[in-house]
Amino acid sequence: AQSVTQPDARVTVSEGASLQLRCKYSYSGTPYLFWYVQYQRQGLQLLLKYYSGDPVVQGVNGFEAEFSKSDSSFHLRKASVHWSDSAVYFCAASRGSGNKLIFGTGTLLSVKP
Amino acid sequence: GPKVLQIPSHQIIDMGQMVTLNCDPVSNHLYFYWYKQILGQQMEFLVNFYNGKVMEKSKLFKDQFSVERPDGSYFTLKIQPTALEDSAVYFCASSFSGKETLYFGSGTRLTVL
Repeated sequence: AQSVTQPDARVTVSEGASLQLRCKYSYSGTPYLFWYVQYQRQGLQLLLKYYSGDPVVQGVNGFEAEFSKSDSSFHLRKASVHWSDSAVYFCAASRGSGNKLIFGTGTLLSVKP
Repeated sequence: GPKVLQIPSHQIIDMGQMVTLNCDPVSNHLYFYWYKQILGQQMEFLVNFYNGKVMEKSKLFKDQFSVERPDGSYFTLKIQPTALEDSAVYFCASSFSGKETLYFGSGTRLTVL
């Protein structure tokens, strides 16, 4: 069955530190992959997406993610986090057409000042 | 950026009553979606809607659920009658095409007593 797994429910880092949020997918073939962020009391906002091509994709606010077919992963990274990055981050996948996204359970990121 | 508005943000009703959740999608979008998130769990696809018709629905989209977008106004999710297990946050989303980025609302928290 198709699935997206985010193994870390909560991650805490200090401001200025680097960050990696993990995401693994289970799909036949290569799905379209997404990272969304949800700030408190707001809707989900798209950070970045991968359809094909260069496995490293750049997103907003200094985020990037790397697609790995061999590892079935799409980890999110940021070189230096800011306190305003505190939010819940969702990894998602779809087959493309129809946009039926399958989400992971989310990772709550807390950035300590 | 484009905004999807959901009204109200929180709704409390008694089991067995009818409830309608309203979504004001991005104005030129053609595809509409509802997702359900039970507290602490991942967001799950309910249904997508295009050209006045349901395109695909999941097993979570029970017979008591219905969607419509009368006269190009709000995209609505109606539950009649409601059950305790319908308590969740319901997210609306829209996209211009079936392959474009989804824009999400901030969700309506439904509490069924």
